[in-house]
Amino acid sequence: SQKIEQNSEALNIQEGKTATLTCNYTNYSPAYLQWYRQDPGRGPVFLLLIRENEKEKRKERLKVTFDTTLKQSLFHITASQPADSATYLCASGSGNTGKLIFGQGTTLQVKP
Amino acid sequence: DTEVTQTPKHLVMGMTNKKSLKCEQHMGHRAMYWYKQKAKKPPELMFVYSYEKLSINESVPSRFSPECPNSSLLNLHLHALQPEDSALYLCASSQDFVRSNSYEQYFGPGTRLTVT
Repeated sequence: SQKIEQNSEALNIQEGKTATLTCNYTNYSPAYLQWYRQDPGRGPVFLLLIRENEKEKRKERLKVTFDTTLKQSLFHITASQPADSATYLCASGSGNTGKLIFGQGTTLQVKP
Repeated sequence: DTEVTQTPKHLVMGMTNKKSLKCEQHMGHRAMYWYKQKAKKPPELMFVYSYEKLSINESVPSRFSPECPNSSLLNLHLHALQPEDSALYLCASSQDFVRSNSYEQYFGPGTRLTVT
């Protein structure tokens, strides 16, 4: 069955460093991957979408890559700030069905 | 307006009660979703509506009954719930996914449901 995995449950880094989060997929080839941010007790917020024919996408301090050979997406936050502390979810769609499959999420803690 | 609103924010109900969760969006989105999220887990899809018609039911127990009265509103009717149904219930909306093969979803803040 289609699987999307985020290997790290938690990631702790120092303010100012670059945070790198990993998302791996197995048993399918997603046409795109999405990244969301979720704060405790709130709904996820869409951050970035990258398609299979795009190697890299950027938005302000965020960068996402998509490597179809490694079956992996990397999500980077440069010059991280304590306000970036949250859970980050990767997700991909299942055909044109509306169904979104989420990874388990990585909780990022940025220490001042 | 890129907001999805949900009411109530919190709900405590007994196992014999009947209650409803409400969701509203005014972004012109024709797809709406209900998710259930337990602590430290990702959102789990329950239902998908496309053009006010139910297109996906992820084998959800019949004690959860969705309704889409119009393109802006989505309800989730609850009846005879179990304590294990306690969770954060999230509503989301997106553009038409039938014609587009990629779409970001806009989530509401959720309703925190506790079943006693």
